[in-house]
Amino acid sequence: DVKVTQSSRYLVKRTGEKVFLECVQDMDHENMFWYRQDPGLGLRLIYFSYDVKMKEKGDIPEGYSVSREKKERFSLILESASTNQTSMYLCASSRPQGGYTTNEKLFFGSGTQLSVL
Amino acid sequence: EDKVVQSPLSLVVHEGDTVTLNCSYEVTNFRSLLWYKQEKKAPTFLFMLTSSGIEKKSGRLSSILDKKELFSILNITATQTGDSAVYLCAVGSMEYGNKLVFGAGTILRVKS
Repeated sequence: DVKVTQSSRYLVKRTGEKVFLECVQDMDHENMFWYRQDPGLGLRLIYFSYDVKMKEKGDIPEGYSVSREKKERFSLILESASTNQTSMYLCASSRPQGGYTTNEKLFFGSGTQLSVL
Repeated sequence: EDKVVQSPLSLVVHEGDTVTLNCSYEVTNFRSLLWYKQEKKAPTFLFMLTSSGIEKKSGRLSSILDKKELFSILNITATQTGDSAVYLCAVGSMEYGNKLVFGAGTILRVKS
C-alpha cells in the first residue's frame, strides 16, 4: 500500500514564526500536492509538484512556499505564520497515468492540524 | 468559475438506513469525478467515474455519474456506524493538469 507520511499530527506555532510541514511518500510517485481543509470550504490546493525541483501554484498559494529537493519529499513552508493559516493541512501524492499527468487516485497523508496563536 | 457542490452538508441516519449523497459540478473539459471517504484525517479513495451512466459498486457503496446533468450520487445501503465519515467529491478536468477541485464534503453520522 502507498504510504504518505506527514511529520506532525498537531502543531502549535506563534504568529510570525517560520513553519515547516514535511511530507514523505514511499511509492515513487511523481506528483505531490499540498491542500488545506477548512470547515465548509473543502480542500483547497496550495501548491503541487510533478517532478523534483518543479512546483506549481495552486488556488491559494499566498503566504506559502514549497520545496521538492527529492522525489519522495515535499515540504510546505509558512514564511511568517499568521492566525488565518490555522487549518488542517493534507499532503497527497499520485502517479501520472499514460500520456497525461493526471491526478486521479490521490493518496493522502493523515494531515497536520496547525494552530497559529 | 469551476465549482463542485455537495449536498446535504450533513445528515444523521440510523443503522440500516439507505443514504444518497449528491455532487453537482461545473467544470471546463470534464475528465473524471472521484469520491473519497474521510475518517479521522486521511481521505481514502472510493470510486472514480469517467463515463456517464455506468455504476461503480463496492459492497454496500455504489456511485453513478450523469454527465449530461452534471452530477453524481453516492449510495450507501444498510448503513453501519463505520460508515460515519466525511464524504468528499472531487472533479478532474483536462484543463487542470494535475489538479482536482473538491467539494466541501458531506458529513454522515450513522447512529446505532
